[in-house]
Amino acid sequence: GAGVSQSPSNKVTEKGKDVELRCDPISGHTALYWYRQRLGQGLEFLIYFQGNSAPDKSGLPSDRFSAERTGESVSTLTIQRTQQEDSAVYLCASSLVQDRGYGYTFGSGTRLTVV
Amino acid sequence: DAKTTQPPSMDCAEGRAANLPCNHSTISGNEYVYWYRQIHSQGPQYIIHGLKNNETNEMASLIITEDRKSSTLILPHATLRDTAVYYCIADTGRRALTFGSGTRLQVQP
Repeated sequence: GAGVSQSPSNKVTEKGKDVELRCDPISGHTALYWYRQRLGQGLEFLIYFQGNSAPDKSGLPSDRFSAERTGESVSTLTIQRTQQEDSAVYLCASSLVQDRGYGYTFGSGTRLTVV
Repeated sequence: DAKTTQPPSMDCAEGRAANLPCNHSTISGNEYVYWYRQIHSQGPQYIIHGLKNNETNEMASLIITEDRKSSTLILPHATLRDTAVYYCIADTGRRALTFGSGTRLQVQP
């Protein structure tokens, strides 16, 4: 597609439920990033996929968070047993690896509300 | 990645130049300076980046001091649509970028 697509755009879930967030990167972009942004705060890095290399999971806040990516396509971020502090906008970005830090294209995000 | 320091907020009059400062005194030789901005309710958008030399594109200019310890992003003629949070990042770009708190720029009519 022309841009990074994220779905759903909004998700309201009950505390304790599991949620899956989806990211469709730009075709051909080998790098994919997930960030979290709480209300009024900056972006918090979660996880980074680069081609077939092992993902950089150093930003995942707890073992309730996991992400997968099949090849260079779609990625899903799963949050198990959601808590109220998980409420945030989850942003996905993709880039060509050779573009390094200047080629990030972000999606519009998924706004997650845990009630 | 080197730590960057930015003022939390700035105002600018519409039509005037907006000069956004960034301090990165611990930047290393292989780290670039990247600028992104985030308009309300959208994902961040790349603006410009540089290593040593000043850079200019259709959106902005980037002035990097000779010692590379600080830089300034210049929006030459700010419009209301430039109201956003501006992030300055010093990084090699080989891993995921770290976005700090940024500078909230309010362009006033």
